[in-house]
Amino acid sequence: DTGVSQDPRHKITKRGQNVTFRCDPISEHNRLYWYRQTLGQGPEFLTYFQNEAQLEKSRLLSDRFSAERPKGSFSTLEIQRTEQGDSAMYLCASSLTGRYTDTQYFGPGTRLTVL
Amino acid sequence: EDQVTQSPEALRLQEGESSSLNCSYTVSGLRGLFWYRQDPGKGPEFLFTLYSAGEEKEKERLKATLTKKESFLHITAPKPEDSATYLCAVQTNSGGGADGLTFGKGTHLIIQP
Repeated sequence: DTGVSQDPRHKITKRGQNVTFRCDPISEHNRLYWYRQTLGQGPEFLTYFQNEAQLEKSRLLSDRFSAERPKGSFSTLEIQRTEQGDSAMYLCASSLTGRYTDTQYFGPGTRLTVL
Repeated sequence: EDQVTQSPEALRLQEGESSSLNCSYTVSGLRGLFWYRQDPGKGPEFLFTLYSAGEEKEKERLKATLTKKESFLHITAPKPEDSATYLCAVQTNSGGGADGLTFGKGTHLIIQP
């Protein structure tokens, strides 16, 4: 299967701890996106990369959140000093730049629970 | 600010009972409108991209249409396996987050046998 993969699928942590998630995009895709989804809501955009450059950040991405895509392949999303409000599904998507728009393909997500 | 509103929030149908889901949007400049299907505990699965008013796309029992203000996802003779949450999203020309998708809250569809 050559779809988007995410690791881990589930993470339980205590408030104040740091967590890191990994996303491996579809191999030929140059764009990689991070979203957050809470129960009963649609995904909310956090940030995205084109190759290794981080091009956009949402207002939702507080200083405790950092994302990297060092070689333009996989990406990591780190949350420092986790809070209970960070509990959510973190989704990664990848796409290939299109002429007008790009279709984003999502991974299975990482469900974070902060106790 | 871009807004996407989906209705109804939830819909329960009998197997074979056709219906439509609505996605209305208010954006500064639409580049594309997307429909996804999401099963519980999983990531969204891509269904359709629509670019301009009047465009239609079909896949099995699903048909998506687009006007200047809204999109419809028509489900014809649904089966229980069509039960899922259907998400609508837009990609726009607005500044800041223009390439990230703005999603609606989704329509939770249940098809009863």
